[in-house]
Amino acid sequence: EDQVTQSPEALRLQEGESSSLNCSYTVSGLRGLFWYRQDPGKGPEFLFTLYSAGEEKEKERLKATLTKKESFLHITAPKPEDSATYLCAALASRGSQGNLIFGKGTKLSVKP
Amino acid sequence: DSGVTQTPKHLITATGQRVTLRCSPRSGDLSVYWYQQSLDQGLQFLIQYYNGEERAKGNILERFSAQQFPDLHSELNLSSLELGDSALYFCASSVEGSGNTIYFGEGSWLTVV
Repeated sequence: EDQVTQSPEALRLQEGESSSLNCSYTVSGLRGLFWYRQDPGKGPEFLFTLYSAGEEKEKERLKATLTKKESFLHITAPKPEDSATYLCAALASRGSQGNLIFGKGTKLSVKP
Repeated sequence: DSGVTQTPKHLITATGQRVTLRCSPRSGDLSVYWYQQSLDQGLQFLIQYYNGEERAKGNILERFSAQQFPDLHSELNLSSLELGDSALYFCASSVEGSGNTIYFGEGSWLTVV
């Protein structure tokens, strides 16, 4: 069964304290690995798509990487405004484009 | 702002009732998707439409149905509502062949009492 697992469930950081979020996936034929940010009561906001192992993408303080079994979202020197839930999703080869398999997310809190 | 518009933002209704959620995709996007997000289940794919035709089905209940109209907006109909249907319902859209990027709306929060 296709599955996406994120860890930790919650992460508390001090402002400036860098860390990484983990996304482990088990899907048949990965077509894409997606990262979204979600604020409370809001829709998921697209961050990155990764397609193949070894690929990396960066945006401001965020950097996403992909291996054959996991993806990491590295947060460098986070600020309080980075507080949100970060969602990881996988698209399997047999799935339609919209049938993203989401993890349950990592809730990040950054304290000033 | 993703460009995906959903209405209403909030609604409260009683068990057994029927509601309709509406979605306007981003300009130029042909695909529309519906997702359900509840506290215990996370984001679950319900259904996808592409240019008016149903493309894929996920974990959508028989009490739920959707359609996409010629102007590409979509509606999700939820009937015989139960307490367990209370959730955030998201619409998302994409351009086929655009690298699989799917953009989400702000959601419709449904509370069934």
